[in-house]
Amino acid sequence: DVKVTQSSRYLVKRTGEKVFLECVQDMDHENMFWYRQDPGLGLRLIYFSYDVKMKEKGDIPEGYSVSREKKERFSLILESASTNQTSMYLCASARGTGDTDTQYFGPGTRLTVL
Amino acid sequence: GQNIDQPTEMTATEGAIVQINCTYQTSGFNGLFWYQQHAGEAPTFLSYNVLDGLEEKGRFSSFLSRSKGYSYLLLKELQMKDSASYLCAVTDSNYQLIWGAGTKLIIKP
Repeated sequence: DVKVTQSSRYLVKRTGEKVFLECVQDMDHENMFWYRQDPGLGLRLIYFSYDVKMKEKGDIPEGYSVSREKKERFSLILESASTNQTSMYLCASARGTGDTDTQYFGPGTRLTVL
Repeated sequence: GQNIDQPTEMTATEGAIVQINCTYQTSGFNGLFWYQQHAGEAPTFLSYNVLDGLEEKGRFSSFLSRSKGYSYLLLKELQMKDSASYLCAVTDSNYQLIWGAGTKLIIKP
């Protein structure tokens, strides 16, 4: 079974703090993704990576950056957290980006920025 | 723009059948996914359709009509544990996943 883990289930930070969200997958998947999920909205793609040290902007990259130094690990960084970044953050991995590649999700991190 | 529409919420009775619809308008089409998401948990994969027709998997079936930009997820013999949100997602011409906002399904005894 694919396993995707995220460093924290719940996180509370203050405005202006730097926040690191870590994601690790154990299936040697090429592709990894960071989404945020807010009530009434679909999953929105922040960044994705199709290889080590490679990254691509998604639909809402502003205020975020990412790092992929190892194949199994994909980090999301909030350089200076703001209250509008309070959300559920979901990491996913997939074998490829072909039309049949299912994304497998981690349990999510619920971030609250005060 | 790209758009996926699903009902926001549906209610059904335990043991019954429910159909959750999804319509989409995307730049190209390379497949449609259905995911299940229980409250506070991650989405989990349910089904994938790329050709027209019905795919059956136990109590769950998924249908696709590409010409109509339409899919539905059919859940039979509903159980209380089926209470969850059901997410429709379409892979566009760039193989990017476009997500619907999800349908919250409430099962009543």
